[in-house]
Formats: sequence, structure tokens, C-alpha cells
Amino acid sequence: SAVISQKPSRDICQRGTSLTIQCQVDSQVTMMFWYRQQPGQSLTLIATANQGSEATYESGFVIDKFPISRPNLTFSTLTVSNMSPEDSSIYLCSVDTSGLYNEQFFGPGTRLTVL
Amino acid sequence: DAKTTQPPSMDCAEGRAANLPCNHSTISGNEYVYWYRQIHSQGPQYIIHGLKNNETNEMASLIITEDRKSSTLILPHATLRDTAVYYCIVRSLNDYKLSFGAGTTVTVRA
Repeated sequence: SAVISQKPSRDICQRGTSLTIQCQVDSQVTMMFWYRQQPGQSLTLIATANQGSEATYESGFVIDKFPISRPNLTFSTLTVSNMSPEDSSIYLCSVDTSGLYNEQFFGPGTRLTVL
Repeated sequence: DAKTTQPPSMDCAEGRAANLPCNHSTISGNEYVYWYRQIHSQGPQYIIHGLKNNETNEMASLIITEDRKSSTLILPHATLRDTAVYYCIVRSLNDYKLSFGAGTTVTVRA
């Protein structure tokens, strides 16, 4: 298993600003993922972040809007840039421990409100 | 391009078994059925997964039909803390992406 923490847990931001969300894992993992969950909706994968390589973005998400860093095997950041109210969502990171069941473990999420 | 179909909601009584159906008629031979749940204000939590045999762990049982086109997650003795959105996901072991559908909102009532 893996224990994941995210900072901040929630924030209220003004439009046009940027917010960087941190994800910390208690063990070294190869694959980390960032998801977005818009109000009342299911989770949508934003990107896959592997250490030592550029993040791989899903359709509809671009690096300029959601730059990701993965400096080591236990940490990643997601920046939401030039925010608008449509970016108001919960942002979650997850890790794949490549264990026997290939299950993913999720952080508690960061609840972002953009005014 | 959801690969699974689930009822949007269901209620069940505390202490009774909750049976959550999932249709995945286009599942391919190397794809597993995974179940996750998301309790309010938390990240999703892995429950169980299976390929073709029935599976059981400390949280739940998974029954997969012989043709693998549908499955049922069983919570044997539902408690109020089992109230959550339950997601049925089809994926292969070498595909690390999880594609979440709308899920089933399960409300356990006292």
C-alpha cells in the first residue's frame, strides 16, 4: 500500500492566478497520476507523471495549462495556471505501486475554488 | 467511450447484503474488472478485482459471469460507512490508466 498526502487540502483563488498542488508519497513509486474531479462529476485523468521523463497528457489537457513536475520517486506537483472559474474542481494524485494487483492508491484531493 | 454500465444509484439496508451490478459486454480477454469506491470528500479506494473467477477479500466479493459480460460486487453486510460512489472499471494489467465512469451512488440506510 501507499500513503499519499496532498497540499493544500483546499484553496480559494482569484482568476488569472496559478496554484501549485503538491503530492507526497511515503514510498518510492514509478508511476504517479493526476486526476480532476469537477463538481458532481467522476474523475478524469489529466496526465501520467513518471520520474525522469516528461509527463504524458490526456486529450484535452495541455502542459501550458497544467505543468507537472516529478523531481523524484516520492513527490510530484501539478500547477493549475491562469485559472478561471471552470478550473474549480478537486484535484487528486494517485500512485501505482506496481504491486501484485496493480491497484492505485489515491490522495485525499485538493479542493480548488476559483472566483 | 465508457466500457462499463452501472445503475446511477441504489439504496440498501444496513446489515443486509448490497449487490452492485456492472455490465461490460465489450470486455476483451486480457481485461480485468476492478472495483473502486469513493466515500464523500475522500479519494477513491481500491476494493477488489478479478479476471474470470469469483473473488473474495475482506471488503467484498466479486462475481463475474461465465461470459464475462457482467459482474456483481457484493458487500456482504452493508454498514452506514459503506455509503459511497462505487466504480466498476475494466482495464488490462499493463494499462495503468483508470477510466472512471459515472459509478453507482450507494446509500446505506439504518
